Amino acid sequence: GNSVTQMEGPVTLSEEAFLTINCTYTATGYPSLFWYVQYPGEGLQLLLKATKADDKGSNKGFEATYRKETTSFHLEKGSVQVSDSAVYFCALSDRGGGATNKLIFGTGTLLAVQP
Amino acid sequence: NAGVMQNPRHLVRRRGQEARLRCSPMKGHSHVYWYRQLPEEGLKFMVYLQKENIIDESGMPKERFSAEFPKEGPSILRIQQVVRGDSAAYFCASSQRGEAGYGYTFGSGTRLTVV
Repeated sequence: GNSVTQMEGPVTLSEEAFLTINCTYTATGYPSLFWYVQYPGEGLQLLLKATKADDKGSNKGFEATYRKETTSFHLEKGSVQVSDSAVYFCALSDRGGGATNKLIFGTGTLLAVQP
Repeated sequence: NAGVMQNPRHLVRRRGQEARLRCSPMKGHSHVYWYRQLPEEGLKFMVYLQKENIIDESGMPKERFSAEFPKEGPSILRIQQVVRGDSAAYFCASSQRGEAGYGYTFGSGTRLTVV
């Protein structure tokens, strides 16, 4: 079945460092891909998305490119801030079968940015 | 314009009791989804509902769990005779259109602890 694998955390960086969080997926067909962010004590917020191969999603300085050839959707940011500290989830939309409306999530990666 | 509202934020139940989790979707959203996040794991799909209808319950445990989304009022996730393994964060999400590719809006979750 469809699945998402993302790098384990925690990822600890200094402020202004470059961030990469790896995400790869297994899917039949052509799912949409997402990154969600969860700040402490809050729900998940959609950070960015891409709906087809070679699309680049971007928001708040974060970027991710839908790479069909490597089945990847790595999250990057050129210069992280302390306020970026959160858990980041990679997800895909499952369009298979009769239930076409669910998201499949990775296990999440905790990012801790130190001043 | 309130987001997805879940209550209570924290719920403690003794083994064998019932747990009721409530979710009010965003205004104008008629599609509701419930996800469960077990410790150290990603979110797992449980059930997808529209008003008065269960569309997909493929992620719901076969026993003790039920969900509803009545014509009036919030969506309810009900867990009967809770066990320790039910301890988790339960997230509700809503969308205007029943298509995961557009992304959901999540609530802040209910953290259930079974003692």
